[in-house]
Amino acid sequence: QVQLQESGPGLVKPSQTLSLTCTVSGGSISSGSYYWSWIRQPAGKGLEWIGRIYTSGSTNYNPSLKSRVTISVDTSKNQFSLKLSSVTAADTAVYYCARADYGRGMDVWGQGTTVTVSS
Amino acid sequence: DIQLTQSPSFLSASVGDRVTITCRASQGISSYLAWYQQKPGKAPKLLIYAASTLQSGVPSRFSGSGSGTEFTLTISSLQPEDFATYYCQQLNSPLITFGPGTKVDIK
Repeated sequence: QVQLQESGPGLVKPSQTLSLTCTVSGGSISSGSYYWSWIRQPAGKGLEWIGRIYTSGSTNYNPSLKSRVTISVDTSKNQFSLKLSSVTAADTAVYYCARADYGRGMDVWGQGTTVTVSS
Repeated sequence: DIQLTQSPSFLSASVGDRVTITCRASQGISSYLAWYQQKPGKAPKLLIYAASTLQSGVPSRFSGSGSGTEFTLTISSLQPEDFATYYCQQLNSPLITFGPGTKVDIK
């Protein structure tokens, strides 16, 4: 079955850009009508949706992060990526990638990767 | 943006109890609502989508109902493995939002 795995630096300096990649295995990122999302969760807090991308390249972003977020997809590598610029300590969180189908919720999640913003 | 509220934010219950969690949306979202269970250190797990459709492999003691702005998640007989935090999520608008969560703890 489809599995997702996040990868990227676990430590990012303030004001720099956080970059994460989600690798899709067990299936093609282009198959079906899925879209691919990033979600984060600060320690001890709730889930925050960051944004999503369709394999067509169409994106939607959380308005609170929109000015700093870019999500892209590389279908040849079966990956999608997150870039979050000008990070601060408030961006410290576990970052998850997830797959969703229209109206059906996020049925496949990565295990999550912890990103700490600190000098 | 569509905001979600959940009540209660915390509940203490015993094994075998019937548990109900409510999620309210700030505007109508038809049935575009999902419920997730999250245990400490783990990714969320999809329980229910389209307000009332049980995700494959999820025990039948979980059920969902509602449409428009008010939704409920019910666990008919709480099991030890059900102690966790539960989140609702709306997928109606292009912008997805999660509720703040309800932690279900052992009484």
